[in-house]
Amino acid sequence: QQQVKQSPQSLIVQKGGISIINCAYENTAFDYFPWYQQFPGKGPALLIAIRPDVSEKKEGRFTISFNKSAKQFSLHIMDSQPGDSATYFCAASWGSQGNLIFGKGTKLSVKP
Amino acid sequence: GAGVSQSPSNKVTEKGKDVELRCDPISGHTALYWYRQSLGQGLEFLIYFQGNSAPDKSGLPSDRFSAERTGGSVSTLTIQRTQQEDSAVYLCASSLSSRAAYTFGSGTRLTVV
Repeated sequence: QQQVKQSPQSLIVQKGGISIINCAYENTAFDYFPWYQQFPGKGPALLIAIRPDVSEKKEGRFTISFNKSAKQFSLHIMDSQPGDSATYFCAASWGSQGNLIFGKGTKLSVKP
Repeated sequence: GAGVSQSPSNKVTEKGKDVELRCDPISGHTALYWYRQSLGQGLEFLIYFQGNSAPDKSGLPSDRFSAERTGGSVSTLTIQRTQQEDSAVYLCASSLSSRAAYTFGSGTRLTVV
């Protein structure tokens, strides 16, 4: 119930391609779904977040798609660049309880 | 400060020793979180402080782990009688409120030998 399942574990994309990372959850009480980006030796940093009242949110090259009925959400990185190479984590939380439940991460490598 | 500061950045300790990890959150952030990041295991929630409320300790893996937050600011995570399986990166994060974006520190890499 508390898990957020993330796939794939690793992803290799050519420069200019689209990177897609998927997450699924069981707890229907979740109402906040952020994505974090982590570079080696650094802590994760918030990339983009969505709430379940919308199906899509776009910020620059990054888009979250949200499917409430399927209990799934995904991150799309358009025109992927080598600088996007990092580990990406999806997460979820609910109500007044603040702590985020994180997926296990996806290591993205964008080849030049 | 400008960001979340964690110290030390690296810690090597012998099995059975106690260690203390420190976190200085962003000034004014009322919520503070500790997570553990092991290779291939994502971020595991440990403990959460919100203002003056009792902390949520539901993620602490054993009674060897404890944390405190003094004066609503600095937090210390203590691991007693360290074991090799405690080796991981310990991340601290703070946020303006329990529903706001987290700002993470760079973590403390703990190695138990």
